[in-house]
Amino acid sequence: GENVEQHPSTLSVQEGDSAVIKCTYSDSASNYFPWYKQELGKGPQLIIDIRSNVGEKKDQRIAVTLNKTAKHFSLHITETQPEDSAVYFCAARTVNQFYFGTGTSLTVIP
Amino acid sequence: EAGVAQSPRYKIIEKRQSVAFWCNPISGHATLYWYQQILGQGPKLLIQFQNNGVVDDSQLPKDRFSAERLKGVDSTLKIQPAKLEDSAVYLCASSLSGGKNTEAFFGQGTRLTVV
Repeated sequence: GENVEQHPSTLSVQEGDSAVIKCTYSDSASNYFPWYKQELGKGPQLIIDIRSNVGEKKDQRIAVTLNKTAKHFSLHITETQPEDSAVYFCAARTVNQFYFGTGTSLTVIP
Repeated sequence: EAGVAQSPRYKIIEKRQSVAFWCNPISGHATLYWYQQILGQGPKLLIQFQNNGVVDDSQLPKDRFSAERLKGVDSTLKIQPAKLEDSAVYLCASSLSGGKNTEAFFGQGTRLTVV
């Protein structure tokens, strides 16, 4: 089955700096890659996604890049704000199922 | 648009007791997922329904876990009997279809503590 690895597990940045979270996947059949933000006590919330026919997607301060050849994709958050502090999960979808990374705990220091 | 609803939010039970969780997906979403999220880990799929049929339950511990979605809308997940290692957040998610490129939306989860 698919194996999704996510790095780093924890990340601290100063407010206003950028944050980058990276994921790799193993199954070349995976073709949809969402990113979720999970705040304490809440369920994961979809923040951005990318499909395999696209190399990059941007939504305001959030962007995702996908390199299908290398089987990796990354989340980029620019101009970070304290409210960006949360756990972020990447996922890869293959056939019917989503496979999740182990999460990155992002702390934005005011 | 209403999101995925789950209840209860929290549950504490003793080991060997039974527990049930309920999920109401987003209206019109044919696909429903139950995930188990152990503290510090990503969600792990337990079971996936397409309407009222099971698509994937390969990771569901069938000796103690069961789930149903009788009318293709609401779903219940049951654990009987519970073990200490079942302590986790149980997340329900739904998507419009089970096809590729379809995003899933999550509920807030039920936090289960087994003591």
